[in-house]
Amino acid sequence: SYALTQPPSVSVSPGQTASITCSGDELGDKYACWYQQKAGQSPVLVIYHDTKRPSGIPERFSGSNSGNTATLTISGTQAMDEADYYCQAWGSSTAVVFGGGTKLTVL
Amino acid sequence: EVQLVESGGGLVQPGGSLRLSCAASGFTFRVYEMNWVRQAPGKGLEWVSYISSSGNTIHYADSVKGRFTMSRDIAKNSLYLQMNSLRPEDTAVYYCARGQICDYWGQGTLVTVSS
Repeated sequence: SYALTQPPSVSVSPGQTASITCSGDELGDKYACWYQQKAGQSPVLVIYHDTKRPSGIPERFSGSNSGNTATLTISGTQAMDEADYYCQAWGSSTAVVFGGGTKLTVL
Repeated sequence: EVQLVESGGGLVQPGGSLRLSCAASGFTFRVYEMNWVRQAPGKGLEWVSYISSSGNTIHYADSVKGRFTMSRDIAKNSLYLQMNSLRPEDTAVYYCARGQICDYWGQGTLVTVSS
């Protein structure tokens, strides 16, 4: 079955750029989404269709997807961005797949 | 304002059944695909099932296939998940989420399968 792989954790200093990767076979041929989940809260969509930001999501969040890797980039990372991040794609025509999640620490 | 409100969770013994509901409001429910996604305590997100806008196409994760049944009632703006033959590994917060891109999520309802 299709699988998406994320690093378990990423650390970044405030104001720096954080990059979170998501790897899957020919992932660039599919649409990727990214979700932010803060402790005790429901997930929030931050990127869809590889690069698009929903309304209300800050411009510092951006995405890319090519080859086997999708990347979520947070520019000028703020303390409020500390959260778990999950990538998502349709692994086949019949199944949604989530990555295992990446804990972003801002220190 | 888009709202998704899940209900129906609780404590159930292994082998038991539960029916989860998701009440949708603030958007035209009948034109959107919907998903159920779960999250075990301290774990990541796991997709459970998908239903097309018409309800004619439904997909399930292998882990729940044959035990869970997803449905929708357009007249009631509601989504359902009938869960049978529950196992301890089904213990999780269950979320309903809108569309292929899951752009809106409910607050979740906790299902605990334990004797």
